[in-house]
Amino acid sequence: AQKITQTQPGMFVQEKEAVTLDCTYDTSDQSYGLFWYKQPSSGEMIFLIYQGSYDEQNATEGRYSLNFQKARKSANLVISASQLGDSAMYFCAMRGPPHNKFYFGSGTKLNVKP
Amino acid sequence: ETGVTQTPRHLVMGMTNKKSLKCEQHLGHNAMYWYKQSAKKPLELMFVYNFKEQTENNSVPSRFSPECPNSSHLFLHLHTLQPEDSALYLCASSQELLAGRTGELFFGEGSRLTVL
Repeated sequence: AQKITQTQPGMFVQEKEAVTLDCTYDTSDQSYGLFWYKQPSSGEMIFLIYQGSYDEQNATEGRYSLNFQKARKSANLVISASQLGDSAMYFCAMRGPPHNKFYFGSGTKLNVKP
Repeated sequence: ETGVTQTPRHLVMGMTNKKSLKCEQHLGHNAMYWYKQSAKKPLELMFVYNFKEQTENNSVPSRFSPECPNSSHLFLHLHTLQPEDSALYLCASSQELLAGRTGELFFGEGSRLTVL
């Protein structure tokens, strides 16, 4: 069964505007971690933000925030004030179970327009 | 060097060649991974090693042979590959979950493989 679902293959956003990338997950475990990664065209995977299943507050890292809705099993990434350098593929991922296994979504390609 | 280093960054090989991809992590992590990323496909987990022991083999064809001599090094030996094996191969490492740690995957820059 698919663990991570990203329903938006591609997104466009105007520079300086905010954008939300959707992610839903499936698990029966109580303890898990949710991650977002950015992959520019060069190929490297860059860790952006983390949300633990027991964290009560939404995670934030600079212009990135994670809208965590546990009951709905969603972990959407919000990028505020988009920049041209934000154009990339974005992957949502979940850790566990087992704890050393990571499940990735199919990704969302974000294009930031000037 | 810091982080996760992969060599070579680019590799072109024929179907009868034997080559190897190398991954080295300088983060003191105890788990290492190989992922395959083909065009327009999600990341595919290939292998997981935990404390040098293989804990996951995701039904990978035997023409891919991993080797993990220690917790810092991971190899992917390639032989008699097919053109459909052309992809970006990503190595990653992670640490055991500890209090205050997120336990995320740290990726290398990838080895882009082309099989002719």
